[in-house]
Amino acid sequence: QSVLTQPPSVSAAPGQKVTISCSGSSSNIGNNYVSWYQQLPGTAPKLLIYDNNKRPSGIPDRFSGSKSGTSATLGITGLQTGDEADYYCGTWDSSLRVFGGGTKLTVL
Amino acid sequence: EVQLVESGGGLVKPGGSLRLSCAASGFTFSSYSMNWVRQAPGKGLEWVSSISSSSSYIYYADSVKGRFTISRDNAKNSLYLQMNSLRAEDTAVYYCARGRNSDYWGQGTLVTVSS
Repeated sequence: QSVLTQPPSVSAAPGQKVTISCSGSSSNIGNNYVSWYQQLPGTAPKLLIYDNNKRPSGIPDRFSGSKSGTSATLGITGLQTGDEADYYCGTWDSSLRVFGGGTKLTVL
Repeated sequence: EVQLVESGGGLVKPGGSLRLSCAASGFTFSSYSMNWVRQAPGKGLEWVSSISSSSSYIYYADSVKGRFTISRDNAKNSLYLQMNSLRAEDTAVYYCARGRNSDYWGQGTLVTVSS
């Protein structure tokens, strides 16, 4: 049972937009920055979003992040088949790192 | 180019020990906190442990506290995870990741605990 709650799966057609939610509490998301990671099949996770809504160099602006209260959201626009992956949110909770259970994105 | 390369994984019997290493390059290792994160087969990410840049602060997940020890050698640009009293549920790919945001990850090393 993960501390942060994500939907197990989401799906959308190529070119469409999808959002992935991440729900926590005041001790984690409510008082800390949120990061998002993309894990393509068979590879290590890759940072997509940090500090709630910042993108590392090289991450396209199709990926966006937001936070409100104890929840965060990852948005992906202009979906591509290459976006099919597992997505994880992460934050801190009393000096301990916590992750969501992951969301599998299927691009139909 | 930032690189993190884990090593030391393998097959070990329950109750056994293993020491993982993470060799860092392409950045000033001594300026960053470091993390170990694991992923059991077919499962999600699970944070294991973190260590501050100077080793002053160390944190563990409850699931490994008392059995695992994180350490680092800034002179050798290396991060370590000593794993004792291993259990079947410790079977996973172990990743090292850089910094508070885990902005760079290694390729992982597989640890299998089985008799």
